[in-house]
Amino acid sequence: QVQLQESGPGLVKPSETLSLTCSVSGGSISSRSYYWSWIRQPAGKGLEWLGRVNVIGSPDYNPSLKSRVTISIDTSKNQFSLKLSSVTAADTAVYYCARMLWVTATTDVFDIWGQGTMVTVSS
Amino acid sequence: EIVLTQSPATLSLSPGERATLSCRASQSVRTYLAWYQQKPGQAPRLLIYDASNRATGIPARFSGSGSGTDFTLTISSLEPEDFAVYYCQQRSNWLYTFGQGTKLDIK
Repeated sequence: QVQLQESGPGLVKPSETLSLTCSVSGGSISSRSYYWSWIRQPAGKGLEWLGRVNVIGSPDYNPSLKSRVTISIDTSKNQFSLKLSSVTAADTAVYYCARMLWVTATTDVFDIWGQGTMVTVSS
Repeated sequence: EIVLTQSPATLSLSPGERATLSCRASQSVRTYLAWYQQKPGQAPRLLIYDASNRATGIPARFSGSGSGTDFTLTISSLEPEDFAVYYCQQRSNWLYTFGQGTKLDIK
């Protein structure tokens, strides 16, 4: 079965770039059937979608973060990555990677999630 | 951006009772609405998609309804493992947004 695992630094300094990787096991990231997303959740708060990528086409980003976020895919490593620049304390959150599955011709859902990784922005 | 508003923020019920959770969209999302369950320290889990379709492996006590701007998640008879936070989620113009969540806790 497909599993996702986030990795990266747990502490990032203000104004620097947050970089995380999601490793996909049990399946190929190269399938055109899936998109791969990043979602974050500040402590005690709700979920915020950051963006998505797949092997064809350009990534889609949340407009609220578009100028700071970059999501890329590395098919050779079966991984996809998140970079968030110019971070502040407001970017402190649990970051999840998730697979997006088309359950119908018009509907996609987040069907498989990583366990999440906590990132704190602090000097 | 479509905003999803969930109510109530907290719902206190006992095992065996019926739970009714609401999600209202700021504009129509047709039936493009999903529900997720999140337990402490865990990632969310997909329950319902397209407003009323149960995801694979989800028990029949979970049901969803609604269209347009008003949606409901119903748990017919609460089991101890159902006490968690529930989020609704929509997609519009390739922007995905979530509601702020309803916490279902044990009375």
